[in-house]
Amino acid sequence: DQQVKQNSPSLSVQEGRISILNCDYTNSMFDYFLWYKKYPAEGPTFLISISSIKDKNEDGRFTVFLNKSAKHLSLHIVPSQPGDSAVYFCAARSYSSASKIIFGSGTRLSIRP
Amino acid sequence: EAGVVQSPRYKIIEKKQPVAFWCNPISGHNTLYWYLQNLGQGPELLIRYENEEAVDDSQLPKDRFSAERLKGVDSTLKIQPAELGDSAVYLCASSRGDSSYEQYFGPGTRLTVT
Repeated sequence: DQQVKQNSPSLSVQEGRISILNCDYTNSMFDYFLWYKKYPAEGPTFLISISSIKDKNEDGRFTVFLNKSAKHLSLHIVPSQPGDSAVYFCAARSYSSASKIIFGSGTRLSIRP
Repeated sequence: EAGVVQSPRYKIIEKKQPVAFWCNPISGHNTLYWYLQNLGQGPELLIRYENEEAVDDSQLPKDRFSAERLKGVDSTLKIQPAELGDSAVYLCASSRGDSSYEQYFGPGTRLTVT
């Protein structure tokens, strides 16, 4: 039972354009949604979060949007830079389940020149 | 501050052999996690420690996997005996508290079972 789904395994975007990564979830008990970024041979690093009571959170070039009615969130990166090429994991925390974080399967973002 | 340290980075063993992974969390982080990451998938929690106590080990296959966190700092994850399906990356992470969603991951140990 995949509670957090990332249906696009890969995405290619031209440098300078907007990258949009999508994520769907099924569990209404999630209280925080997260994005982690992973480079090859490294562990994931925390990127940005959003509380379930918000619909938008912005941090520099990164903005996360949450649509609770659709159980959907997205990460926007503007403008996209070569260093953004990585695997992005969508994740969610259920406080009612011992603060467990559930990760999606990831989307590989490639920024082309 | 120093990050989460894991060793070894790579390990190749034959099936039925034992293997152990070591993790040193960030200083001051009392919560430690072990995750399993299969190819093309996201990390999946195996066990979570609060100090030296395992507070969530529901996903740990206890017939062959064991873990310990001595003195609430370093941790070791062991598999005995290893099976072909155990080939994966084993990630260790730590955080300041049990409710923190900002976890700091180590580089992982890539295990190959032949």
